[in-house]
Amino acid sequence: EAQVTQNPRYLITVTGKKLTVTCSQNMNHEYMSWYRQDPGLGLRQIYYSMNVEVTDKGDVPEGYKVSRKEKRNFPLILESPSPNQTSLYFCASSPRLGDHTEAFFGQGTRLTVV
Amino acid sequence: AQSVTQLDSQVPVFEEAPVELRCNYSSSVSVYLFWYVQYPNQGLQLLLKYLSGSTLVKGINGFEAEFNKSQTSFHLRKPSVHISDTAEYFCAVSRVGSQGNLIFGKGTKLSVKP
Repeated sequence: EAQVTQNPRYLITVTGKKLTVTCSQNMNHEYMSWYRQDPGLGLRQIYYSMNVEVTDKGDVPEGYKVSRKEKRNFPLILESPSPNQTSLYFCASSPRLGDHTEAFFGQGTRLTVV
Repeated sequence: AQSVTQLDSQVPVFEEAPVELRCNYSSSVSVYLFWYVQYPNQGLQLLLKYLSGSTLVKGINGFEAEFNKSQTSFHLRKPSVHISDTAEYFCAVSRVGSQGNLIFGKGTKLSVKP
């Protein structure tokens, strides 16, 4: 089954404790991205990657890091989480650069930073 | 830069009634337009998209949208809604020729009542 898998689905952590949210897709997509969803703000892009070893900042990159060492994986790293990073996070992938047929989204990761 | 405005944050409607969810965008260049749906506790799923051609676009679950370039709108419609349509709906744009980055509106929560 074609899918984007995020882990964990739910996470509660403390301020300053490094964490990684994993994202994996099995569709051989080149383009992957991370969004955060906050009430009343919709989805805002954090980082995106056009291919292996190619990443770039989205609209709200502060406090986040990403890496793209393999085509299928695109982890989101919070080096020192803060309460304002409490949010619902989505990973998405698309078939290829500039292809607008569809973006496939993961189920989401609800992160709470206390 | 592009921006998306969803004019209604919440739309309550009775079952079998028609519904229209409004979306306006701002862009100085050509864009692609999308509607995504998010059911409770799930990721986003593509409802329909406008890339080019006919301005009336039909999507899944009986939804359709009409692209109006002069009014920079892309309103979503369904002639008769069901309880199962209760969800949050997001309008999104992507600049033609971009890397496919999606700019989302803030979402409209559709609540269908029996």
